[in-house]
Amino acid sequence: DAGITQSPRHKVTETGTPVTLRCHQTENHRYMYWYRQDPGHGLRLIHYSYGVKDTDKGEVSDGYSVSRSKTEDFLLTLESATSSQTSVYFCAISVAGAEETEAFFGQGTRLTVV
Amino acid sequence: QQQVKQSPQSLIVQKGGISIINCAYENTAFDYFPWYQQFPGKGPALLIAIRPDVSEKKEGRFTISFNKSAKQFSLHIMDSQPGDSATYFCAASMRRYQLIWGAGTKLIIKP
Repeated sequence: DAGITQSPRHKVTETGTPVTLRCHQTENHRYMYWYRQDPGHGLRLIHYSYGVKDTDKGEVSDGYSVSRSKTEDFLLTLESATSSQTSVYFCAISVAGAEETEAFFGQGTRLTVV
Repeated sequence: QQQVKQSPQSLIVQKGGISIINCAYENTAFDYFPWYQQFPGKGPALLIAIRPDVSEKKEGRFTISFNKSAKQFSLHIMDSQPGDSATYFCAASMRRYQLIWGAGTKLIIKP
């Protein structure tokens, strides 16, 4: 798993409440990503980071914010959770090898907004 | 331009048969095409990948076929086994760290 830990693994929250998901890596990789996975949509990029305090939006960033104050931690915040944000969230890092770039994923966080 | 279209959405194959999943892309600037495998409750993991300068890459029972002129690539799983049951994602990249993902194919291998 390339030393990627997501927390919490499961969360149920009420509509309108703020939620923060944490991704922690142990290997100081520069690039980190947050995806959401929904049936029929595959993996959709929410936000990504290319360094401390350097972040950018993905294709489904509305309603989400991120922060990266340390290389090892990438936080995803739902400012005011909505039912449409019920999903499985994956954090990933990417590692560039000699031939290929490989993405490594965490175990996922299942978020339910009721 | 950025999309990668994957089909079918789901696939059922008998044990020992050949599983075939297809992907198509539009952006000719893509230069890296990986396939990822995801088991329930886990994150996706790299299975096999190809660059557009070769037409085929084989690793064990898994083969990627690449057709540059048609802008298509496919994953073939030979002698499919129940343990291959998983969701498979194709992806494409044109910048080193940005992967564009297909929608995924849920593969079920029937014993």
